[in-house]
Amino acid sequence: DSGVTQTPKHLITATGQRVTLRCSPRSGDLSVYWYQQSLDQGLQFLIQYYNGEERAKGNILERFSAQQFPDLHSELNLSSLELGDSALYFCASSRGQGGGDTQYFGPGTRLTVL
Amino acid sequence: GENVEQHPSTLSVQEGDSAVIKCTYSDSASNYFPWYKQELGKRPQLIIDIRSNVGEKKDQRIAVTLNKTAKHFSLHITETQPEDSAVYFCAATLYDKVIFGPGTSLSVIP
Repeated sequence: DSGVTQTPKHLITATGQRVTLRCSPRSGDLSVYWYQQSLDQGLQFLIQYYNGEERAKGNILERFSAQQFPDLHSELNLSSLELGDSALYFCASSRGQGGGDTQYFGPGTRLTVL
Repeated sequence: GENVEQHPSTLSVQEGDSAVIKCTYSDSASNYFPWYKQELGKRPQLIIDIRSNVGEKKDQRIAVTLNKTAKHFSLHITETQPEDSAVYFCAATLYDKVIFGPGTSLSVIP
């Protein structure tokens, strides 16, 4: 167990809908990262937050947004969902701002868009 | 930006043999290179990492080597066991961004 928690474990929804994925980092970690992993695909970096502020941005669609709250948990909002958004969404956390920090991954949320 | 290539994409070895996975990166400023193992349906887990001021690091049956001049690094697993079967991802860290390679699916045949 990495100490990173994600809810829900599974999410099934329809096209056009909006969902929110939640992540709680390890105790003491200030950074949260979001990744998308489609079937048989690698890990695509979406976005990173450090201590409440956006730190780095990857290939995140405009339909997706995220935020990190004062208690350091983070939420990833996915709207106007399309079939292609079906994937495993992982969050990870690290102690510092990034760079050479080790990232610890949560168990993931499996999103299925029908 | 940084780009990470990883080879091979699939690898099958007999139990007890060694496995080697190679990665190359494009930006010489990258300075931290973790390796993650992901079993089917589970989270990626860090298995070993190396920083740019070190050429080699070993942890029991796993070792990583780094060649900064050539901009490549490799994962070596010796005496492979069936439980080593998984997808392995290399990554390179450039400033605050971690760029993952596409992964290598390793199968260890009993």
